[in-house]
Amino acid sequence: NAGVTQTPKFQVLKTGQSMTLQCAQDMNHEYMSWYRQDPGMGLRLIHYSVGAGITDQGEVPNGYNVSRSTTEDFPLRLLSAAPSQTSVYFCASSYASGGAGAKNIQYFGAGTRLSVL
Amino acid sequence: EDKVVQSPLSLVVHEGDTVTLNCSYEVTNFRSLLWYKQEKKAPTFLFMLTSSGIEKKSGRLSSILDKKELFSILNITATQTGDSAIYLCAVEARRNQFYFGTGTSLTVIP
Repeated sequence: NAGVTQTPKFQVLKTGQSMTLQCAQDMNHEYMSWYRQDPGMGLRLIHYSVGAGITDQGEVPNGYNVSRSTTEDFPLRLLSAAPSQTSVYFCASSYASGGAGAKNIQYFGAGTRLSVL
Repeated sequence: EDKVVQSPLSLVVHEGDTVTLNCSYEVTNFRSLLWYKQEKKAPTFLFMLTSSGIEKKSGRLSSILDKKELFSILNITATQTGDSAIYLCAVEARRNQFYFGTGTSLTVIP
């Protein structure tokens, strides 16, 4: 029962470096999203996707890129890391919202702790 | 601006106490409200509420939504040390847009 898998679990970057955080789900969910969690700020939506080939911005998209070439994978790219991007990143997936019901529950990965020096 | 506010920010209680966690929201096009429990890693789902006045229960945890007053509460009775966690409230404000509160950190002392 893999669910939502994120890699790596930890990463340290230098300012200006690039990297990709990986996220994969095996539940055939249409909806996938990336959040960052900072102390006192809760979870904030970075980008989301309602299906392969479709992505959109959330609350805090600047400095991040995403793509969704398959239903299973939704990588998050940092093109030029900055200290302000030090955070814990969570990927989540669910069935796409089409109305009230249990299918709108999001399942989260274990998170990636990123430090940018 | 859509927002979700949780209170208190933190809470320390003794085993056996009952606690009430609060979540208020101001969002456009409310679709659902969800409660999650976050221990050391990923948030795990507790409840989803869409209708006012219908209490959801799971063991010692229960939750209710008031769509008129725009809030929800999460009750935990007979608390145990295993209930220590951050409890997150989230609202689906527009289709596929989830807004989270900052969470309530609960510590249960033996």
